[in-house]
Amino acid sequence: DTGVSQDPRHKITKRGQNVTFRCDPISEHNRLYWYRQTLGQGPEFLTYFQNEAQLEKSRLLSDRFSAERPKGSFSTLEIQRTEQGDSAMYLCASSAHTDTQYFGPGTRLTVL
Amino acid sequence: AQSVTQPDIHITVSEGASLELRCNYSYGATPYLFWYVQSPGQGLQLLLKYFSGDTLVQGIKGFEAEFKRSQSSFNLRKPSVHWSDAAEYFCAVVGPNSGGSNYKLTFGKGTLLTVNP
Repeated sequence: DTGVSQDPRHKITKRGQNVTFRCDPISEHNRLYWYRQTLGQGPEFLTYFQNEAQLEKSRLLSDRFSAERPKGSFSTLEIQRTEQGDSAMYLCASSAHTDTQYFGPGTRLTVL
Repeated sequence: AQSVTQPDIHITVSEGASLELRCNYSYGATPYLFWYVQSPGQGLQLLLKYFSGDTLVQGIKGFEAEFKRSQSSFNLRKPSVHWSDAAEYFCAVVGPNSGGSNYKLTFGKGTLLTVNP
């Protein structure tokens, strides 16, 4: 059973550019989550999907952020017009009905 | 709102010594509790979880944790630490049936563990 995968693992971009991250959950998991982790902090919840439906978005997710899960399988997180404050580790997790979330390796974003 | 406190930002122990990492939570009922470990630049690996039942739970890599309702605590322990245990440890809580928000993990700020040879 493969775990959660994320791509890319690292992304360096210039301020103002758009970036997109991908998450592939564990195959039988219908729930998918995005978190953001800044240096010295624990992960903070961004958004949650059950199948293809986005059921909750955190106030941390500004209008520049959008997430999709079009077929209930993989998900993408897009950040438009990146700012230096967006620099963080973006973590994806998935779960089945057990409420135990399994995390991917994360995408480290650096905005110059 | 639920919250998690990890009072120790950084702990240093010698290899072979015992370890206890503290975690206190704030929640109106009994939540689901988790410990995750994160190596530098990596994602989070689940060590153990508590949902209900026996308050002493066993996890991977020789870790265990004890849920104490009266103290709102879920401390992580290991009897003998190995150098490979050096990492950052996060306690997390998710509240079942909390107005539908029974999936959102709330994390503490983490405890960084250094292991001296």
